Amino acid sequence: DAGVTQSPTHLIKTRGQQVTLRCSPKSGHDTVSWYQQALGQEPQFIFQYYEEEERQRGNFPDRFSGHQFPNYSSELNVNALLLGDSALYLCASSLLSGVGRAKNIQYFGAGTRLSVL
Amino acid sequence: AQRVTQPEKLLSVFKGAPVELKCNYSYSGSPELFWYVQYSRQRLQLLLRHISRESIKGFTADLNKGETSFHLKKPFAQEEDSAMYYCALSGNGGSYIPTFGRGTSLIVHP
Repeated sequence: DAGVTQSPTHLIKTRGQQVTLRCSPKSGHDTVSWYQQALGQEPQFIFQYYEEEERQRGNFPDRFSGHQFPNYSSELNVNALLLGDSALYLCASSLLSGVGRAKNIQYFGAGTRLSVL
Repeated sequence: AQRVTQPEKLLSVFKGAPVELKCNYSYSGSPELFWYVQYSRQRLQLLLRHISRESIKGFTADLNKGETSFHLKKPFAQEEDSAMYYCALSGNGGSYIPTFGRGTSLIVHP
């Protein structure tokens, strides 16, 4: 089991550009959540996808959008990049269709380091 | 609203010394509490959760509802325990999204 995989590992973009990050969940998981982790800060929740729909959203602007595919993998898109979007973007997977409190356990990928110049 | 507070940004101890990483929370219902750990150049991973009542790598954490705390403890720190530790809370309202504290960097000196 490869666990949660994210691509690319690193990315450099310039202000105003658009970026797409990809995530494959842990085998058997059906839910993907995305987080932004600025340097020296805790992960901040962006949104969660389940059954190919955005289930919940954190306090992020509409420039941040996502998608989940039938195979449960997911993409995070950020439009009109700002310098402040530079961060580590983490994907986490979980099993919402499971039972009990196992739904609360999230497994994280290694992240994509985005630098906006 | 749910909130997690980790008052110490940095905790520095010597090998063999006891360690306590503090975590306090604010939540009106019955939350589930977690400790996640991020070792250098590794991914964020779950260390333990309060309902499991386990000891992982010598660490334990007890949920104290009266004090709304979930402190992480280890009687004898090891150098390999050096990492960033995040306390996290998930509510019981069907959200299943953890709220993270700001993290405590633990450094264990030889």
